[in-house]
Amino acid sequence: NAGVTQTPKFRILKIGQSMTLQCTQDMNHNYMYWYRQDPGMGLKLIYYSVGAGITDKGEVPNGYNVSRSTTEDFPLRLELAAPSQTSVYFCATTGLLSYGQYFGPGTRLTVT
Amino acid sequence: AQSVTQPDIHITVSEGASLELRCNYSYGATPYLFWYVQSPGQGLQLLLKYFSGDTLVQGIKGFEAEFKRSQSSFNLRKPSVHWSDAAEYFCAVGARSGGGADGLTFGKGTHLIIQP
Repeated sequence: NAGVTQTPKFRILKIGQSMTLQCTQDMNHNYMYWYRQDPGMGLKLIYYSVGAGITDKGEVPNGYNVSRSTTEDFPLRLELAAPSQTSVYFCATTGLLSYGQYFGPGTRLTVT
Repeated sequence: AQSVTQPDIHITVSEGASLELRCNYSYGATPYLFWYVQSPGQGLQLLLKYFSGDTLVQGIKGFEAEFKRSQSSFNLRKPSVHWSDAAEYFCAVGARSGGGADGLTFGKGTHLIIQP
């Protein structure tokens, strides 16, 4: 039981490049989230999903896209990377009967 | 809109001393409240949660927190800290037990430093 896994752990992108951050969970949770964490700012919600095929924007969605084709996977796509997207990205999940959210280990992204 | 304030950006405590981290929230209904801990380079781990009942809740690693509705606070405490408690601590509030469709709203965090 791996919980929530994220790949890659680290990535350096050049401005304008694109990439996909992967998130996979094996807890059969309905809800999945993407947060970004910037120093001194806490975590901000980018996108969330309440189930396969259903996604919606969070507080800071600009510059990102998501999809949810299966219960297990919730990838986050950056199409045209910008320095403002330099951050640590966390994927989280929760179930209908869960308390709190379960977080992955994070992906540290640098855009230069 | 819900919000969380953690007034202390950094706190330094001597090993063996007691600890209290402050958290104030703004929420229109009965909140679900959480404390998470993040060790350097790691993800967030749930320490404890409150949603109803006894206002003093116990968590992992010897932590406890007290919900005070009149003060809109949910302060985290530990009687005696250990060097391994050095980490970033986040308070969070949500509309449902897991955050629901809107996720959780996090405070900006308190960085705990332990002095030997």
